[in-house]
This record gives sequence, C-alpha cells and structure tokens, in this order.
Amino acid sequence: QVQLQQWGAGLLKPSETLSLTCAIHGGSFSGYYWSWVRQPPGKGLEWIGEIHHGGSTNYSPSLMSRVTMSVDMSRNHFSLKLTSVTAADTAVYYCAKTVAAQPYYMDVWGNGTTVTVSS
Amino acid sequence: EIVLTQSPATLSLSPGERATLSCRASQNIENYLAWYQQKPGQAPRLLIYGASNRATGIPARFSGSGSGTDFTLTISSLEAEDFAVYYCQQRVNWPSAITFGGGTKVEIK
Repeated sequence: QVQLQQWGAGLLKPSETLSLTCAIHGGSFSGYYWSWVRQPPGKGLEWIGEIHHGGSTNYSPSLMSRVTMSVDMSRNHFSLKLTSVTAADTAVYYCAKTVAAQPYYMDVWGNGTTVTVSS
Repeated sequence: EIVLTQSPATLSLSPGERATLSCRASQNIENYLAWYQQKPGQAPRLLIYGASNRATGIPARFSGSGSGTDFTLTISSLEAEDFAVYYCQQRVNWPSAITFGGGTKVEIK
C-alpha cells in the first residue's frame, strides 16, 4: 500500500521560491506519474503538473513558466519548486500518485502542506 | 483546455436520501472521468475512475455513469459520512492538462 509523506516550508514572502518534497513509502516509483495539485483556501482543486519516474515532466500551461519538478529515485522522493510566489499561490499543496494510462486518475494522495505567502 | 462544469454547486439532502451529482465536459472525453470526495481538512479520496469503476474499498452505494460530455455520480442512500465536497476530474489524452470541476457540496438539510 503506497503512502505519500510530504513536507516543505509553510510561510513564504512574495517573490520567494516555494519548495516541497514528497516521499513514496511502500511502493515503487516506476510506472506512474507523480503529480502536484493545489487548493486555495475555500476553493477547488488545481492541477500543477506531473513527473514520470524517468524524469519527463508535464506542467499546467498557467504555471509552467514558474514550475520545476524533479525526482530523486535513490531516496524515493519527488519535488516541486514554484518561483516568484505571490499571495495568489497561497494554498494547500498535495502530492498524488497518478495512474500513467487511460483513464488517468489519482489514487493515492499526500496529506497536504499549507503554504502561505505573506509579506 | 477542457472545462468541467459541476452542478449543482450545493445539494441539501437528508440522510437516507439519494444524491445525484452532475459533471459536464466542454468536449467529448469518452469515459476518461474520475470522481473524488473531499472532507474538511482532508485530502481528496478517489471514488470512481473510468466514469463507472469504483475504487478499492468504496461502498456500493456510490456509482458513476455517463460518457462523452455528461456524467453522473449517484449516492443511493446518503450516510452521515457522505456529506462532503465532490469533484470530477478528466484527462482525455496525454500530455493534455488534467482538469477538475468546481465541486459540488453535499450538505445536511
């Protein structure tokens, strides 16, 4: 049973870089996409992007200029960096395991990390 | 980008009643739709994938139907733990973006 444990800085100032990491426990990195999803306070879910265990990435068009995802297979970790944050990036950020074939769904989620951007 | 529109925004029902939630896609997504449940302070939980397949451990009172552009999540008889927000999600092909609907809140009447 795969479990995801995530962590990262929870309070940022405008223009700083958001950095989060998600560790995979109890399962293999291979054969899946590993996604990040965020949820602003009181709002719905927004997909940020995904990374394959081989390192290929796919980002949301609205965020791709500021997003970088990476994997560390030796540690079973994957990470998210979002540059030049503003108050609009305040949200709960989730990592999720995504099935890498149709019909593409997220069957395991991390507990979420609350990130607040404030001066 | 494919837009998913969920209706109604809020559904007020009593325990034991039937809940019918709608998700409409802006273009044909065949059956490439998933449904999630989210309770306050918790991560989303996968309920349905491929429009009609229940995820592991999901009770039989949850069912999904539809194809093309119109989809439905039905909860046959609401239990206390079912009051939550429900989201639909699609990806019609890779590497297109994954998108979510705006959510339907099922609240106690």
